[in-house]
Amino acid sequence: RKEVEQDPGPFNVPEGATVAFNCTYSNSASQSFFWYRQDCRKEPKLLMSVYSSGNEDGRFTAQLNRASQYISLLIRDSKLSDSATYLCVVHAGNNRKLIWGLGTSLAVNP
Amino acid sequence: NAGVTQTPKFRVLKTGQSMTLLCAQDMNHEYMYWYRQDPGMGLRLIHYSVGEGTTAKGEVPDGYNVSRLKKQNFLLGLESAAPSQTSVYFCASQLAGETYEQYFGPGTRLTVT
Repeated sequence: RKEVEQDPGPFNVPEGATVAFNCTYSNSASQSFFWYRQDCRKEPKLLMSVYSSGNEDGRFTAQLNRASQYISLLIRDSKLSDSATYLCVVHAGNNRKLIWGLGTSLAVNP
Repeated sequence: NAGVTQTPKFRVLKTGQSMTLLCAQDMNHEYMYWYRQDPGMGLRLIHYSVGEGTTAKGEVPDGYNVSRLKKQNFLLGLESAAPSQTSVYFCASQLAGETYEQYFGPGTRLTVT
């Protein structure tokens, strides 16, 4: 089993739709969780950290379910500019290394 | 602030040639990383550094060497390039402490023929 797994998609949604991505992780000792966004041929950029209590940033909501070992990202009122690949990232243990998922591709259509 | 910069942006090498990729950051971050990204493989860590003068191997270190002589710079060297090293290389930096947010450079697209 991969350490971090994501549905690669692509998810094709119309503007204004709500879309959700899930990501599962295998290491129950994982401590920190993140969603990064990567535009085509660009570098990854942090979208949001994922806290145990869940967190919201505008149209974006991230949730953590430790019992089932998954994190989720919900995007409401999708915009064309949300089209990108969303990377699930997990940190576990005492080292400085992050474990990266392969990403979920989102295309928001007019 | 420029953040994280990488040079060059693009490069084509012949098999057996050598080159050095330069990463520079102006955020005074202690930690720096080199990743490669290939289709279907995601981001894979090559080498990393937790401070000036220190380096460590990541997931896929073979064929690469690194140096961190100055805090702001992290160099990635390919001594004898192979076609399997055709990839997009990203450098990232991170502040020491309990935050794990990594800031990435724009990447270097390397083709080895």
